[in-house]
Formats: sequence, structure tokens, C-alpha cells
Amino acid sequence: AQSVTQLGSHVSVSEGALVLLRCNYSSSVPPYLFWYVQYPNQGLQLLLKYTSAATLVKGINGFEAEFKKSETSFHLTKPSAHMSDAAEYFCAVSFQGAQKLVFGQGTRLTINP
Amino acid sequence: SAVISQKPSRDICQRGTSLTIQCQVDSQVTMMFWYRQQPGQSLTLIATANQGSEATYESGFVIDKFPISRPNLTFSTLTVSNMSPEDSSIYLCSVGVSGDYGYTFGSGTRLTVV
Repeated sequence: AQSVTQLGSHVSVSEGALVLLRCNYSSSVPPYLFWYVQYPNQGLQLLLKYTSAATLVKGINGFEAEFKKSETSFHLTKPSAHMSDAAEYFCAVSFQGAQKLVFGQGTRLTINP
Repeated sequence: SAVISQKPSRDICQRGTSLTIQCQVDSQVTMMFWYRQQPGQSLTLIATANQGSEATYESGFVIDKFPISRPNLTFSTLTVSNMSPEDSSIYLCSVGVSGDYGYTFGSGTRLTVV
């Protein structure tokens, strides 16, 4: 069965430091991969998506992610963290023909001043 | 991308009652989904709302508990029936357009059952 695993339920970084949120997937077919952000008491906002084009995907708010098939990974990065990045981040996957999204467990990002 | 209006944004309900959540989209969409996010948890798909036919439910979710309607390509409702405190969650509507794969989410309905 297809699945998504986010390593680390809670990540804490200092303001200005590199942000790295990890996501690994399991799939027997080429996946479509997504990162969403959820701010407190709000819905989900799409940060970026991979749909079999360029393996390095740039998203909003300075985030980017790289699809690595050999590692079955789609880690999210941002070179310099900002206080406004504090939120819950979800990695999700869908598969050709299946359409629905399967979510990882989520990673809460905390930014220290 | 599509803009979703989800109502109500929050509600506090008595156990044993039912709540209907509405999802209105500003454009016609191919796919509409309903998710549940339990406190401190990730999102779990409840069902896919199919236009003009019965919804497709995921394992662990049944039509009697979560009846869904989708009368057209821009509107859907989810009813949480015979509620118990365990139904306290955030319920989210999501839409997608075939070939785009950029699923959009509503702001969610925060439900508390007392």
C-alpha cells in the first residue's frame, strides 16, 4: 500500500537557520507529491507540488523540495527560517488514477528567536 | 486555483444531534473530498463526493454516520450524524481539477461535541 512518512513530529530551529523537514514515500507507481502548511486555526495551504516534471520544485514563501526517486524522498527546505514559518507542515502523496491524497503524520515547526 | 467557502467555521453541538457542513466552490471542479482531522492528528480521508451518485467512502467510514451530498459541480455537504464527543474534530472540504493535481482546501469546520 502507498504511504507517506514524515520523520520528526516536531522540529525546532533558530530564526535565520536552515529548515529541513523530511518526507519519505512508499509507492509502486510514480507518485505526485505535495507539501502543505497549516497555520493555527486555519485550513491547509499548498506550498509546492511535484508532478513528474523538474525534480527540484520551488514553492511559495521561499520553500523548495527535491524529489529523489532513489531515496524515495521529498524533503522540504528553506535556507533561512523566519518567525512566520512556525506552523504544522504536512507531506502528502497521490498516485496516478487514484486522485485522493494520503497524508503524512505532520511536522510541527517551531522557530526560536 | 478554486476558492472554497466552508460553513460553519465552528460549532458546539450536543451529543446525539447532527450537523451539516457546506462546501461551496467558486468554479466547477472535478473532484471533491471530505477529510477529518482529529485533535493533534493528521488528515484522514472520509469520502470522495461524486456528482450525481453516491459518495465513495474510505475504510472505517460509513454512509449512515457521514452522509454526503453533491448535487452539482460546485457544492457538497457532509453531515455528521448522531454525534458523540469522539466526533470532535476539524472537518475539511478539498477540491481538485483533473490534470492539475493542486488540491485546494477549505478553511475547515471545527466541531466540538459536548
